Amino acid sequence: QVQLQESGPGLVKPSETLSLTCTVSGGSISSYYWSWIRQPPGKGLEWIGYVYYSGNTNYNPSLKSRLTVSIDTSKNQLSLKLSSVTAADTAVYYCARELFPYTSSWSAGLWGQGTLVTVSS
Amino acid sequence: QSALTQPASVSGSPGQSITISCTGTSSDVGNYNLVSWYQQHPGKAPKLMISEGSKRPSGVSNRFSGSKSGNTASLTISGLQAEDEADYYCCSYAGSTNFVVFGGGTKLTVL
Repeated sequence: QVQLQESGPGLVKPSETLSLTCTVSGGSISSYYWSWIRQPPGKGLEWIGYVYYSGNTNYNPSLKSRLTVSIDTSKNQLSLKLSSVTAADTAVYYCARELFPYTSSWSAGLWGQGTLVTVSS
Repeated sequence: QSALTQPASVSGSPGQSITISCTGTSSDVGNYNLVSWYQQHPGKAPKLMISEGSKRPSGVSNRFSGSKSGNTASLTISGLQAEDEADYYCCSYAGSTNFVVFGGGTKLTVL
């Protein structure tokens, strides 16, 4: 059974870089499209980035200048780096995967449990 | 302000049917058959209920169905059950420029 687990600092200072890792267990990161999606406390969802295992990336235009999403197939990990963070970047960050390999339906069928990142000095 | 418009709340009694609308534009919902719907219980990760407008993933009850007409997508839940009480979000691909857009979410209350 494939599981996704987000990890990283729970507190980041303003203007610094938020870095998160999603570790995939029970299956391979290859052959799938992967996403980062976030949710500010008490608010709705925002899709951050969508990346194929081969490295082809698609970013939310509102975050593109600050965002890097990458995949390390050797470690079976997906990563997120968001620079110059502000309080508006405080959110639960989820990694997610398409349901089927080699398929881009722009949906997230498998989710991690999410990790709360707070931006504060 | 969300790109897709959903009602803030809907309610229904057990056994009834409800429909949640999701209104976008000809640049997102109306132009792509790539609307997905997510159910989220408090403190939990969202769960995919419908993809590509009307496809139901394995394990999702057939009480959930999706459809689209023009720029508006809809999620219908029939035979409401207490466990259906949750927040529901619609989502649509919006092209290479606008990426992906979500609705603001709808809180479903089962009376």
